[in-house]
Amino acid sequence: QKEVEQDPGPLSVPEGAIVSLNCTYSNSAFQYFMWYRQYSRKGPELLMYTYSSGNKEDGRFTAQVDKSSKYISLFIRDSQPSDSATYLCAMQSAGSYQLTFGKGTKLSVIP
Amino acid sequence: DGGITQSPKYLFRKEGQNVTLSCEQNLNHDAMYWYRQDPGQGLRLIYYSQIVNDFQKGDIAEGYSVSREKKESFPLTVTSAQKNPTAFYLCASSTRGELPYFGPGTRLTVL
Repeated sequence: QKEVEQDPGPLSVPEGAIVSLNCTYSNSAFQYFMWYRQYSRKGPELLMYTYSSGNKEDGRFTAQVDKSSKYISLFIRDSQPSDSATYLCAMQSAGSYQLTFGKGTKLSVIP
Repeated sequence: DGGITQSPKYLFRKEGQNVTLSCEQNLNHDAMYWYRQDPGQGLRLIYYSQIVNDFQKGDIAEGYSVSREKKESFPLTVTSAQKNPTAFYLCASSTRGELPYFGPGTRLTVL
């Protein structure tokens, strides 16, 4: 079993839809949970991060972490064509410099 | 402007040649990283360095070498021992307690 599992998609939704992106993980030591957005042929940019369990909201984006289920989610409300990108989940143990990434989900928002 | 620069953006290599990818940061970050990204594979850690003159192997270090002679610079050499070097290479940096910030990437193609 891989440490981090993420459905690669592709996922195609109409503009204005609510998007749900998910990752599962197996390592109980992970404490920090991140979502990166990567546009084609560009470096990833940090979108959201959460420490331990709970929710975090930033504008149209909401990140959720359920440590008991080892499951994290990113919700995008009122999706826009500019949200079309690959979304990577990443996780980190406390005190570690290393990130463990999911494979990324490619999202297309159709006007 | 503060940030990470990677050069070149595109690089072509003949089989059997060593090539060096440049990564420079002016963020005064202590830690620097090299990741490799293949289609459908997510990001995999090659090497990382927490301080000058020190570095550690990541998950896929075979066929790669690095140096960290200056805080601002962390060049990656892809040697002829790397059997499948065609990929997108991403450099990142971070400081203690903060998450990595990624550069724009170098796309390496073996001819």
